[in-house]
Amino acid sequence: DIQMTQSPSSLSASVGDRVTITCQASQDIGNYLNWYQQEPGKAPKILIYDASNLETGVPSRFSGSGSGTDFTLTISSLQPEDFATYYCQQYDNLITFGQGTRLEIK
Amino acid sequence: QVLLVESGGGMVQPGRSLKLSCAASGFSFSDYGMHWVRQAPGKGLEWVAVIWYDGSNRYYADSVKGRFTISRDSSKNTLYLQMNSLRAEDTALYYCVRDVSGVINAFDIWGQGTMVSVSS
Repeated sequence: DIQMTQSPSSLSASVGDRVTITCQASQDIGNYLNWYQQEPGKAPKILIYDASNLETGVPSRFSGSGSGTDFTLTISSLQPEDFATYYCQQYDNLITFGQGTRLEIK
Repeated sequence: QVLLVESGGGMVQPGRSLKLSCAASGFSFSDYGMHWVRQAPGKGLEWVAVIWYDGSNRYYADSVKGRFTISRDSSKNTLYLQMNSLRAEDTALYYCVRDVSGVINAFDIWGQGTMVSVSS
């Protein structure tokens, strides 16, 4: 099984900050990596697919990078609506989610 | 409008069974792989099972293998999850999710979820 490790588990930041969340796979998954955002009480929403492709309609302040085992999600300038929980997900071998990163307002 | 609506959740005793349904509308159901993903209260996302667009392949998380069965009825545009031998650790909100492909890729459409509580 492929394990996905996100860091940090939680993060406090301010509006306008640049934030980076990392996700590490236990083995090489190429670019088979997606990122999701989940607001409290809502279903997740896809942000980035195939490691670096922005889903249609997602603001350009979100970006993804990486390949192999190490990936990052970057939010260039935090907006109030970005305070949520973020998950990475691999699909190289079935599906595994990272444990999530909770982004809170400082 | 693309929509997934889950039903069938509820409270059940350990060891009993429950069957979830997911009614799909607004898209060609038989073109897409479909998944169940669950989220225990206050916890992260856990993938449960997938069925390919044509029903030819099904895969499960180790935590549910042998106890849960995913199926689909394209004539009714409905996805199912038969859950047997339920355990307390199966307590979660169960989401029905559409894959962007016919097999396994990314999740683009989520239902609102149906809650399953396993308790004596």
